[in-house]
Amino acid sequence: AQTVTQSQPEMSVQEAETVTLSCTYDTSENNYYLFWYKQPPSRQMILVIRQEAYKQQNATENRFSVNFQKAAKSFSLKISDSQLGDTAMYFCAFSISYNQGGKLIFGQGTELSVKP
Amino acid sequence: KAGVTQTPRYLIKTRGQQVTLSCSPISGHRSVSWYQQTPGQGLQFLFEYFSETQRNKGNFPGRFSGRQFSNSRSEMNVSTLELGDSALYLCASSSPSRGAKGNTIYFGEGSWLTVV
Repeated sequence: AQTVTQSQPEMSVQEAETVTLSCTYDTSENNYYLFWYKQPPSRQMILVIRQEAYKQQNATENRFSVNFQKAAKSFSLKISDSQLGDTAMYFCAFSISYNQGGKLIFGQGTELSVKP
Repeated sequence: KAGVTQTPRYLIKTRGQQVTLSCSPISGHRSVSWYQQTPGQGLQFLFEYFSETQRNKGNFPGRFSGRQFSNSRSEMNVSTLELGDSALYLCASSSPSRGAKGNTIYFGEGSWLTVV
């Protein structure tokens, strides 16, 4: 069975600083996708970044980047130049590729507070 | 391009009643999945439909059911509601292709169900 673990229930960071959220996962699959989603107080689940397991290059999206370590089954999210609007719950998620694309396994979430 | 649309956004039901939630996926997406989010259990996968067929199912009792129509719109139904069914129900859609955005899962704003 696949599992996703986020070991940091809460984190805080000062505006403009950098913060890293941790995520580990467990699977016997070789091809899969990893995601970070952001859920602000509105509860809208917003995709932050996506990583395909067969790609060695770490994904980046503007201020967001990941450190994907496949052997260690680690997938951390780095947020640079943190902004107040980054305050949200962040979920790490995993899906097996292609024919089970709609089934996401989520971690328990990390609540991030960006302080002015 | 319109996002994933869920209706109704908020509803209150009485224990023992049944409820139907609706989801319209992003245009062109054929996979629709449903998730339940509660403070205690976090985000849990309910089921996924692809081309009108249930492709994956989570560990929920038979009171939870769903279907998908030929236009990819989906409904989920919960019968004999229990207090513990109070939750945010999230619908998501994806395009299970092998392209750059394949298997990326996009969420709707959710339907808040309160069972009293």
